[in-house]
Amino acid sequence: DGGITQSPKYLFRKEGQNVTLSCEQNLNHDAMYWYRQDPGQGLRLIYYSQIVNDFQKGDIAEGYSVSREKKESFPLTVTSAQKNPTAFYLCAGSQGLTGELFFGEGSRLTVL
Amino acid sequence: AQTVTQSQPEMSVQEAETVTLSCTYDTSENNYYLFWYKQPPSRQMILVIRQEAYKQQNATENRFSVNFQKAAKSFSLKISDSQLGDTAMYFCAFMKRRVGGGADGLTFGKGTHLIIQP
Repeated sequence: DGGITQSPKYLFRKEGQNVTLSCEQNLNHDAMYWYRQDPGQGLRLIYYSQIVNDFQKGDIAEGYSVSREKKESFPLTVTSAQKNPTAFYLCAGSQGLTGELFFGEGSRLTVL
Repeated sequence: AQTVTQSQPEMSVQEAETVTLSCTYDTSENNYYLFWYKQPPSRQMILVIRQEAYKQQNATENRFSVNFQKAAKSFSLKISDSQLGDTAMYFCAFMKRRVGGGADGLTFGKGTHLIIQP
């Protein structure tokens, strides 16, 4: 089936460890995005990429890193520098023409 | 920078009633898109309805319609004949339209938790 696939769905990590969240798409979308969702905060943009080998910081990029080596893949690394990493993370893709974002099912990260 | 404000953190209505969710936004842009997304308990984000700012006609999708007031920067969502499956978080979102295509991402409001009571 076509879509945005995020893995893992649930992830636990100890403080001080880096962790990478996977996002893969087979919709041929040029643009991909990472959002963070906290209770009562809505969705906040972490990073986005319009094209392979290029990406831009969003509103809350500190403590995160991304790569875009392939069109289909946009992994997010939550580094130990992120002070409050426990959150729900959503990946999305877009063709850019209509503005509509198509979302994955999300990854829940808990730092113990 | 754009901001999106949803002033109703939570709303509750009876099944089959009509409910309106409010959204205001602040921007200096003239060309943009507005969206309503639904997030049910499964947490999957689902597009409900989309409006292009240059279109004066309000968008409709079955039981869902919007009241788009560009001058007032208001974009409310009306749900008619509400159903139990409409229970979800609803997010209003803004996107600047870029010349030549491409998108810098959506700016979201904080959401309204809508509860449909049986």
